[in-house]
Amino acid sequence: ETGVTQSPTHLIKTRGQQVTLRCSSQSGHNTVSWYQQALGQGPQFIFQYYREEENGRGNFPPRFSGLQFPNYSSELNVNALELDDSALYLCASSPDPRETQYFGPGTRLLVL
Amino acid sequence: GESVGLHLPTLSVQEGDNSIINCAYSNSASDYFIWYKQESGKGPQFIIDIRSNMDKRQGQRVTVLLNKTVKHLSLQIAATQPGDSAVYFCAENYAGNMLTFGGGTRLMVKP
Repeated sequence: ETGVTQSPTHLIKTRGQQVTLRCSSQSGHNTVSWYQQALGQGPQFIFQYYREEENGRGNFPPRFSGLQFPNYSSELNVNALELDDSALYLCASSPDPRETQYFGPGTRLLVL
Repeated sequence: GESVGLHLPTLSVQEGDNSIINCAYSNSASDYFIWYKQESGKGPQFIIDIRSNMDKRQGQRVTVLLNKTVKHLSLQIAATQPGDSAVYFCAENYAGNMLTFGGGTRLMVKP
């Protein structure tokens, strides 16, 4: 067990809706990263937060946004959902940006 | 952008044999490499990592080798067990934040 939890485990939304996914990091881990994993592919980096500030972003549009809170929890928000947003969304926590990232179990999002 | 290249094969091995999973990376500036194991329906699980100032690192039944000259990474699993069956990803850490993953290799262990 990594000590990283995510909620919900599964979610179904329709195109155009908005979704918020949640992650609880290991205590003491100041860094949280979010990834999108399409079926049969490796995870793709969305963005990283370090001490509540964005610390790098991958090739994802602005409708993907995030927040990190002082209590080691974080959120991934996706607006105007598209069919291609259907994927497994993973969060990973680490003590700092250059340390090992430990993944949660993911949230499976299906957009219809 | 540059990315870890891992052409997705399926590796099938007999229980008890050794397994070797290979990975080619393209970003010469990457200084930290990680192997993850992902079982169906779960998130990636950390196996072992290696920094660019090392060539080899050993863990319990696993060894990672790094060849910076040819930008190649390998994961060796000794005495492969049925519980090792999963998809294995290599990932590189560039610029201190993002991990870049390859496409994964499926390891199947035959009893």
